[in-house]
Amino acid sequence: DAGVTQSPTHLIKTRGQQVTLRCSPKSGHDTVSWYQQALGQGPQFIFQYYEEEERQRGNFPDRFSGHQFPNYSSELNVNALLLGDSALYLCASSLAVGQGRNEQFFGPGTRLTVL
Amino acid sequence: AQKVTQAQTEISVVEKEDVTLDCVYETRDTTYYLFWYKQPPSGELVFLIRRNSFDEQNEISGRYSWNFQKSTSSFNFTITASQVVDSAVYFCALRMSNNAGNMLTFGGGTRLMVKP
Repeated sequence: DAGVTQSPTHLIKTRGQQVTLRCSPKSGHDTVSWYQQALGQGPQFIFQYYEEEERQRGNFPDRFSGHQFPNYSSELNVNALLLGDSALYLCASSLAVGQGRNEQFFGPGTRLTVL
Repeated sequence: AQKVTQAQTEISVVEKEDVTLDCVYETRDTTYYLFWYKQPPSGELVFLIRRNSFDEQNEISGRYSWNFQKSTSSFNFTITASQVVDSAVYFCALRMSNNAGNMLTFGGGTRLMVKP
């Protein structure tokens, strides 16, 4: 049973560029959440997707956008990159609320470095 | 608003010592869930435990135990007879029961170093 997978593992971009990160949820999961984890800090919730729509959003600017596909996989897009966007981006999958145990299972993350 | 505080940023112990990681949370909700995750150097967050706010029973799983006290808004985690493999960053997290999704609010983490 494959867990949550993310690609790429590492990414280096320059300020002003755009980036797309990808996530495939754990088999059987229909909800994908994205978190940003700056060095030495706890993860911060960016947003969550369910049924191909953004269901919940944290305190992040519109430069951060996402998408969920019919197969439940998801993309995180960040436009106009800033140095402060350098972080580990974690994807987590779960079952929708109300459907049994809904712990979030995390992927290994994508480490983004903005120069 | 909800908040999770892990006051201990770093703890260093010698193998076989017991260690307790503290977690204090703030929420106005009466129903919520608390979690602990482990983050090894590989980066992936590993789920350890979930507790419901209405269940204050302490839990033990092998060398791990959790002490949940609503009166002090604390959910502390103890590792008995620590091992080098326990070295990691540990996060406490909070989730409301009434939000539309299942967003987790994390604490800042505690880095545990277990020396041989």
